[in-house]
Amino acid sequence: GAVVSQHPSRVICKSGTSVKIECRSLDFQATTMFWYRQFPKKSLMLMATSNEGSKATYEQGVEKDKFLINHASLTLSTLTVTSAHPEDSSFYICSDLRLAEPQETQYFGPGTRLLVL
Amino acid sequence: GIQVEQSPPDLILQEGANSTLRCNFSDSVNNLQWFHQNPWGQLINLFYIPSGTKQNGRLSATTVATERYSLLYISSSQTTDSGVYFCAVRRMDSSYKLIFGSGTRLLVRP
Repeated sequence: GAVVSQHPSRVICKSGTSVKIECRSLDFQATTMFWYRQFPKKSLMLMATSNEGSKATYEQGVEKDKFLINHASLTLSTLTVTSAHPEDSSFYICSDLRLAEPQETQYFGPGTRLLVL
Repeated sequence: GIQVEQSPPDLILQEGANSTLRCNFSDSVNNLQWFHQNPWGQLINLFYIPSGTKQNGRLSATTVATERYSLLYISSSQTTDSGVYFCAVRRMDSSYKLIFGSGTRLLVRP
């Protein structure tokens, strides 16, 4: 079964509003989670690393004030798209990092489809 | 930064056929993984294979780290194999960030 969940699975919002996406690690206490963005028929692009109890680290070119990340507990990271615009429409995917497995592993959530009108 | 290229970009197979997908990377890596993204967008881990060969049912993978490439073999393909196959690498630094290739979009026809 799923080990990482995301909510909502899809959301439609009006331009200018903010949208919060939740990513939950269901069976693991994840100190590190990742947020990715995927455009249609494109690859996954890493947006930021979410660190429990500290600030997220953002990849070059990703606006931290636009994409707010909070990782307040070991099982939950949230991504808030602030003042969303149509160009923010995309598929957002999170993952959790597990180092205790036989090898390092990231399990991915099912993704959230955001459409900004 | 490190470049990850996959080929072919698109592949159409008849059910039962075999195929080989390739992943080239431009620098030494700590880790290489293969993923399958199903038509609903869910990413599924297939292989963790920084070097050597592994097999899991009809799928197998080989990574030749010294030559900076990895191959994913799909035998006796089924319609449920359709989707996008990504390889992803982790750089030789202390982070655990994955860099994804461009993907191979596979369609298996009945």
